[in-house]
Order: sequence, then structure tokens, then C-alpha cells
Amino acid sequence: KNQVEQSPQSLIILEGKNCTLQCNYTVSPFSNLRWYKQDTGRGPVSLTIMTFSENTKSNGRYTATLDADTKQSSLHITASQLSDSASYICVVSALGAGSARQLTFGSGTQLTVLP
Amino acid sequence: EAGVTQFPSHSVIEKGQTVTLRCDPISGHDNLYWYRRVMGKEIKFLLHFVKESKQDESGMPNNRFLAERTGGTYSTLKVQPAELEDSGVYFCASSPTGNEQFFGPGTRLTVL
Repeated sequence: KNQVEQSPQSLIILEGKNCTLQCNYTVSPFSNLRWYKQDTGRGPVSLTIMTFSENTKSNGRYTATLDADTKQSSLHITASQLSDSASYICVVSALGAGSARQLTFGSGTQLTVLP
Repeated sequence: EAGVTQFPSHSVIEKGQTVTLRCDPISGHDNLYWYRRVMGKEIKFLLHFVKESKQDESGMPNNRFLAERTGGTYSTLKVQPAELEDSGVYFCASSPTGNEQFFGPGTRLTVL
């Protein structure tokens, strides 16, 4: 069964600090891994996407890593801002039958940045 | 460019009633997806349209759920009759190629 596990479930940090969120997956066959940011009352917005051959990808203050051998990914946020408060969701895409693709979502890490 | 829109944003109905959720994808996006997040759980795939055709409906929970995409534009998801366990947030996403998906804000459904 395809699964995505994220940790921690929630995290509180002070503005300006760094943090790292973790994602472990058991999705096969692997296509790609995305990190999404979901603000309260909004839909998820893509931050990064990585394929099997990529082991790091940056988007501003967000840096994602991927270890396809251990099936682990992390999302590092540098110099956090109040606007970083959101749920961060790890999503792994598997190659389905034909051209269909299905996404397996993690439960998310709820990040709160305090002033 | 307008993003994916969903209507209504919230719906509160009683068990046994019918509810229809609507999704308007980004113009020109042939791929349209429905997802659901029930309380405390992760988002789960429901189905995938390519234009007006159902490409994959393996995630639909049961026959109380009916999705349509008339003319390959907007899509509706009808729940009839609604049960308590159908409560959750229903997301729609669209994609031009099937790779990156753009999500709508979701419809929060509460069944009492």
C-alpha cells in the first residue's frame, strides 16, 4: 500500500529561525515528490517538485532534499517569516496504469511561526 | 489568470440530503481531479477527468458519489444521499498536462 508519513505533526518556531520537516514514503513505482504549502482556507500550492534523479531543489527560502534510496525527503525553511505559518504537505506521485497518475498525500506538518 | 474556483466554499446539510459541489478549472486545462480530506486524515484521490471522460475513478468511495464534467469544462460532484462520514473538505485540481496540478480552495462539507 502506498503511504506517505510526515513528521513532526506540528511545529512551533520563532520568527527568523530555521526548521526542517521530514517525509518518508513507500510509494512505488516512484514518479516524483512534491512539497505543497497550504494556508488556512486555501488549496495546496506547490513549492518544489523533484524526480528520482534530483536530490535537492530550492525555491527561495525553501530547500527540499530527496534520498530515493532511503525514500526520505526533507523541507528546510530558512529565516522563517510569520507568513510561513501553514500546513506543509508532502505528496508522492506514482506511475499508474497507462497515463494515469495518482498522488499519495501525507497528513502534513502544521507550522506556526511566532513573532 | 483566474485559478481553480470551487462553489460553494461551505455547505451544511442533513444526513440523507443531496449536495452538489462545483469546480471550475483553469481555462484550457484538460485534466481535472477531485480529492477529499476527511477530519484528521490525509487528502485522498477520488477521480480524474481528461476533458469530459473519466480517466480514473478508482478513488470514488461508493455509488452515492457521482461526478460529471459536461463539455469538458466545469465539473460537478454530487453526493446523494449524504452520510455523516462524507463530511470533509473536497478539493478540485486542474492541470494542462497531468504533471503539476493547481488546486482550488476546497469546499467544506458538513453532514449533520
